[in-house]
Amino acid sequence: EAHLLESGGGLVQPGGSLRLSCAASGFIFSDYAMTWVRQAPGKGLEWVSTISGSGTNYADSVKGRFSISRDNSRDTVDLQMNSLRAEDTGIYYCVKGLYRLDYWGPGALVTVSS
Amino acid sequence: DIVMTQTPPSLSVTPGQPASISCKSSQSLLHSDGKTYFYWFLQKPGQPPQLLIYEVSNRFSGVPDRFSGSGSGTDFTLKISRVEAEDVGVYYCLQSTQFPRTFGQGTRVAIK
Repeated sequence: EAHLLESGGGLVQPGGSLRLSCAASGFIFSDYAMTWVRQAPGKGLEWVSTISGSGTNYADSVKGRFSISRDNSRDTVDLQMNSLRAEDTGIYYCVKGLYRLDYWGPGALVTVSS
Repeated sequence: DIVMTQTPPSLSVTPGQPASISCKSSQSLLHSDGKTYFYWFLQKPGQPPQLLIYEVSNRFSGVPDRFSGSGSGTDFTLKISRVEAEDVGVYYCLQSTQFPRTFGQGTRVAIK
């Protein structure tokens, strides 16, 4: 069974940067696309970004500020977040999949506040 | 962007009774490859979402058979034949037919 574990969350000031990392295990990492989904406090789910063999895709709300990348030799996927805003606050989930988002990590909390 | 609209926003169900949640998309979710990339998730309190149903009507590994999904095109339904206490949480629908991926706003299910 696939396992995902996010790291790198924390408190950052508006305009600052943070890099989230997700360590994957239990499946052939290089065979699968990976996705980031976030959830603002008390709110619903919002797709953020996906990396696949076809390239990368981003939500309009993060385009130009966030960058997704992967290291197939280390089975990790990262989300570099720049120019952070208060509305980026929330739990960020690392998710396996391109269409079918079948395994989710426990999430990393990102708080953007002065 | 495809807008996903779930109804009702919340539901209170007596254990053992059925429940139904609807999700409508603003455009057809039938992909050019013939598949419909529509999914249901349950987010239990304090947990990440878990996949229940994939591609409209297929139960994911370990999902009890009291959960079933149906629909096509723009109209989809999740049914729970007999609600149990462990089914409480927020249910979300998702379309992966095109980018950006979009979720419904959620349906909160509680036990009476």
